[in-house]
Amino acid sequence: DADVTQTPRNRITKTGKRIMLECSQTKGHDRMYWYRQDPGLGLRLIYYSFDVKDINKGEISDGYSVSRQAQAKFSLSLESAIPNQTALYFCATSDAGIYGYTFGSGTRLTVV
Amino acid sequence: DAKTTQPPSMDCAEGRAANLPCNHSTISGNEYVYWYRQIHSQGPQYIIHGLKNNETNEMASLIITEDRKSSTLILPHATLRDTAVYYCIVRTSGNTGKLIFGQGTTLQVKP
Repeated sequence: DADVTQTPRNRITKTGKRIMLECSQTKGHDRMYWYRQDPGLGLRLIYYSFDVKDINKGEISDGYSVSRQAQAKFSLSLESAIPNQTALYFCATSDAGIYGYTFGSGTRLTVV
Repeated sequence: DAKTTQPPSMDCAEGRAANLPCNHSTISGNEYVYWYRQIHSQGPQYIIHGLKNNETNEMASLIITEDRKSSTLILPHATLRDTAVYYCIVRTSGNTGKLIFGQGTTLQVKP
């Protein structure tokens, strides 16, 4: 099983719908992150959480919300999806030290 | 966190060493240099990181200049499977150590 699991892998939704992307991890890391990637561009940080009671906005948090249900689970919600939120979404985890992040395989979201 | 500058694209012949440069002239003393790669829309993969000494692991070597203003990632014997986008990122350790991605370098390994 993957260390960081994202569900769903692919999703097509309609404008205005609420959608939740889920991320779970078995790394035992305290820190979790949500990124989005648009075609041909690098990843941009949406939200991050350094522990269960800590939630922080990233570079592009408008239109998104998150929930850290447990150390191992971090969900990203789009309350009212719009077409320019069509992107590839990645979840990642890390510990508090200097070691690298572990990324999930991504969720490809299309808003029509 | 300091910003990085990388060439948008590079080519390398299969079997040869791939040397990917990165400039980070505003890096501060507590910032590490990290390299990740992303193969065709998969999740980014950690490669290596360093502070000021050169580092080597099973994937690559990282050479950091003495003034720490630039670094080079070396893939010693590039294969077709190394074709990917390579990201150089500087990051502080500790509570504010977020990864901020730039545009990266697209490395094309050719037969």
